[in-house]
Amino acid sequence: DGGITQSPKYLFRKEGQNVTLSCEQNLNHDAMYWYRQDPGQGLRLIYYSQIVNDFQKGDIAEGYSVSREKKESFPLTVTSAQKNPTAFYLCASSPPGVRETQYFGPGTRLLVL
Amino acid sequence: QQQVKQSPQSLIVQKGGISIINCAYENTAFDYFPWYQQFPGKGPALLIAIRPDVSEKKEGRFTISFNKSAKQFSLHIMDSQPGDSATYFCAGFSSGSARQLTFGSGTQLTVLP
Repeated sequence: DGGITQSPKYLFRKEGQNVTLSCEQNLNHDAMYWYRQDPGQGLRLIYYSQIVNDFQKGDIAEGYSVSREKKESFPLTVTSAQKNPTAFYLCASSPPGVRETQYFGPGTRLLVL
Repeated sequence: QQQVKQSPQSLIVQKGGISIINCAYENTAFDYFPWYQQFPGKGPALLIAIRPDVSEKKEGRFTISFNKSAKQFSLHIMDSQPGDSATYFCAGFSSGSARQLTFGSGTQLTVLP
């Protein structure tokens, strides 16, 4: 059963806390992406990675960090520097040579306590 | 800088009617234009896509019309059904150095039974 999984479905963050969102794919895709979705603003790119051990900042990388130690995994850490973290976070991946076709996971909703 | 402008923000259509969502882009380097469908609490799913060398693409009840000179494209949903009620996003992709999707702000479609 191939696909992209994100966990947890809901995540609560306390003031000053770092939290990590998980994204795993078993599609053998080499490129992976993190987007943030806010109401009325569409999807905005946070970070992306085209190969293992390499990643680039997207349009709104401040306050976030990522790692890509394995092809299958691309975790996103929301740091305490991100002052407005409440949003729906989406992970996506795309197959080799077809970067324009992105497949999305089910998302993680992050809420601030 | 918003590179893909989408309208309307919300749309209400009667069952059996035609739903039309419009997008305009600024980046002439875009060479792939997908539409994504997103149901509440889920990740977006690729619905239909077009490249700028054709003016129209049809898949079932969904049609993309593309006007390269005007830098506009639109999604038409024929015989709209209540199950089509979702948020729709247009996007542009450049196969140049950036190679990332730029999304419109989304249209919330409601199809009344």
